[in-house]
Amino acid sequence: QKEVEQDPGPLSVPEGAIVSLNCTYSNSAFQYFMWYRQYSRKGPELLMYTYSSGNKEDGRFTAQVDKSSKYISLFIRDSQPSDSATYLCAMSSMNSGYSTLTFGKGTMLLVSP
Amino acid sequence: EPEVTQTPSHQVTQMGQEVILRCVPISNHLYFYWYRQILGQKVEFLVSFYNNEISEKSEIFDDQFSVERPDGSNFTLKIRSTKLEDSAMYFCASSEGGFFGQGTRLTVV
Repeated sequence: QKEVEQDPGPLSVPEGAIVSLNCTYSNSAFQYFMWYRQYSRKGPELLMYTYSSGNKEDGRFTAQVDKSSKYISLFIRDSQPSDSATYLCAMSSMNSGYSTLTFGKGTMLLVSP
Repeated sequence: EPEVTQTPSHQVTQMGQEVILRCVPISNHLYFYWYRQILGQKVEFLVSFYNNEISEKSEIFDDQFSVERPDGSNFTLKIRSTKLEDSAMYFCASSEGGFFGQGTRLTVV
């Protein structure tokens, strides 16, 4: 079983739609959960960072973590064509230092005008 | 806004050659990391570096690889005797791994 699973997409939505991106994981030791945005052939850009379970909101972005289900989500409201990118989830356990990140494969999002 | 800087942006090398990838982390950060991403694959952890020594490394980071912080600002990844399968994007990250550089695309021919 892979440690972090993420549907690769592509996920195509019209501008203005609400987007839901998800990851599941198997390692119950993961405590820190991140979402990154990556444009083609560029470095990952940190969007959201959440510790343990709960919700976190930042502008149009909301991150949710459900540790009991080992399931994390990123919601994007009022999606824009500029949101078109690959979204990576990443997570880390406290024991290994929160920056030794285990990534999902990424979901490609396409927002059409 | 502070950023992690990587050079070169693209490196082409012949199989068997050695390459050095360079990174300038954010100045007051203490932890440094190398990750790689083979085309179409997930980002994979290679090594973390703290206080001038390796703090953790993955199975990928074998004797072919080494890291160094030769001065107060640069952080390098050396790959000896490159193989075709080393072709990938290599990302440097600093501090708690939240800040990634733009990557070096390594192509081994």
